[in-house]
Amino acid sequence: KAGVTQTPRYLIKTRGQQVTLSCSPISGHRSVSWYQQTPGQGLQFLFEYFSETQRNKGNFPGRFSGRQFSNSRSEMNVSTLELGDSALYLCASSPDRSSYEQYFGPGTRLTVT
Amino acid sequence: GDSVTQMEGPVTLSEEAFLTINCTYTATGYPSLFWYVQYPGEGLQLLLKATKADDKGSNKGFEATYRKETTSFHLEKGSVQVSDSAVYFCALSERSYIPTFGRGTSLIVHP
Repeated sequence: KAGVTQTPRYLIKTRGQQVTLSCSPISGHRSVSWYQQTPGQGLQFLFEYFSETQRNKGNFPGRFSGRQFSNSRSEMNVSTLELGDSALYLCASSPDRSSYEQYFGPGTRLTVT
Repeated sequence: GDSVTQMEGPVTLSEEAFLTINCTYTATGYPSLFWYVQYPGEGLQLLLKATKADDKGSNKGFEATYRKETTSFHLEKGSVQVSDSAVYFCALSERSYIPTFGRGTSLIVHP
């Protein structure tokens, strides 16, 4: 089975721009979560989607948003980028909401200049 | 709220040395506990898990035992290899479903 894939792997944007990151979960997995990883803050939960609905949301400003499609693929969007948004964005999938195990993709490295 | 505390890194060892990475947790109920590993340039991979007290999770020579009385889930390996160099994350999941991760512990193994 193919693992979780994320595109693009690397991205460089300028302050004020917006960005969209994509995640394709493992086939059959219906839950997708997003995390931001930085050296200073570690791994921080952004949001979780299941059956196209946001089920949980972390403590991030409204500039961070996401969605999930009927095929379980997910996108996250960050508008009005700030320098502090530079991070590794990780997507993780799970078969359903009864399994606590998460399977992570390789991440998208976003650099904001 | 739930929290996970890991020992500060980096942990530096010689090949074939014994490894312990400490992890303690705070939770209101009976969480499931996990260790994830992140190799350079990659995402996190589930290493092992335990779902109830006294369970021992094991994988690739790594082990961790769910100790409810000490709220701990320490990661151990009897003989580390250079290829074990990575960042290790302890995590728990409870009713909220979303895992709570520790800050990660970097392991560096020298030949």
